[in-house]
Amino acid sequence: AQSVTQLGSHVSVSEGALVLLRCNYSSSVPPYLFWYVQYPNQGLQLLLKYTSAATLVKGINGFEAEFKKSETSFHLTKPSAHMSDAAEYFCAVTPPGNTPLVFGKGTRLSVIA
Amino acid sequence: KAGVTQTPRYLIKTRGQQVTLSCSPISGHRSVSWYQQTPGQGLQFLFEYFSETQRNKGNFPGRFSGRQFSNSRSEMNVSTLELGDSALYLCASSLDSVGADTQYFGPGTRLTVL
Repeated sequence: AQSVTQLGSHVSVSEGALVLLRCNYSSSVPPYLFWYVQYPNQGLQLLLKYTSAATLVKGINGFEAEFKKSETSFHLTKPSAHMSDAAEYFCAVTPPGNTPLVFGKGTRLSVIA
Repeated sequence: KAGVTQTPRYLIKTRGQQVTLSCSPISGHRSVSWYQQTPGQGLQFLFEYFSETQRNKGNFPGRFSGRQFSNSRSEMNVSTLELGDSALYLCASSLDSVGADTQYFGPGTRLTVL
């Protein structure tokens, strides 16, 4: 069975600082991995996804994530935080095929001016 | 293209009642998934429909049910509401596969059970 662990339910960074949100997964087969963002009172929006192509995945809004099989990790980074990045971020995993996504508990990102 | 729409956006019900939520997927998308989001349990998968057939089902009691119509629109129903059913219910649509194809989420329906 697949599972996702997001370290840190709340992360706070200063505007302009590096954003690092951690995600570790458990999967019996090479998985597909996703990062979604949720702004208040909205649904989820896909930031980026890994589907066994390049291990470094670039997404929208300057975010990127690197798939590290040896560490079973898929951490999300952004070089310079912006106030508009304040939101909740979810990591999700699924094996290839028509299997539903399993989401982590989420990490709330706060950006301090 | 219009995004995923969900109606209504907000609902208030009392215990024991039933409720129906509606989801209209992006045009051309054949897969519709439903999720329940609560502060304690996070995002939990309810079920997925593809071409009017339930293809995947999460671990929820039988009070939660759904269906999909020939135009891919989907509804979910919760009978005999309990206080713990208060949550944000999210619908997501994708072209075909729930894995490789990107899932696009609607804004959700906020259900409050009193």
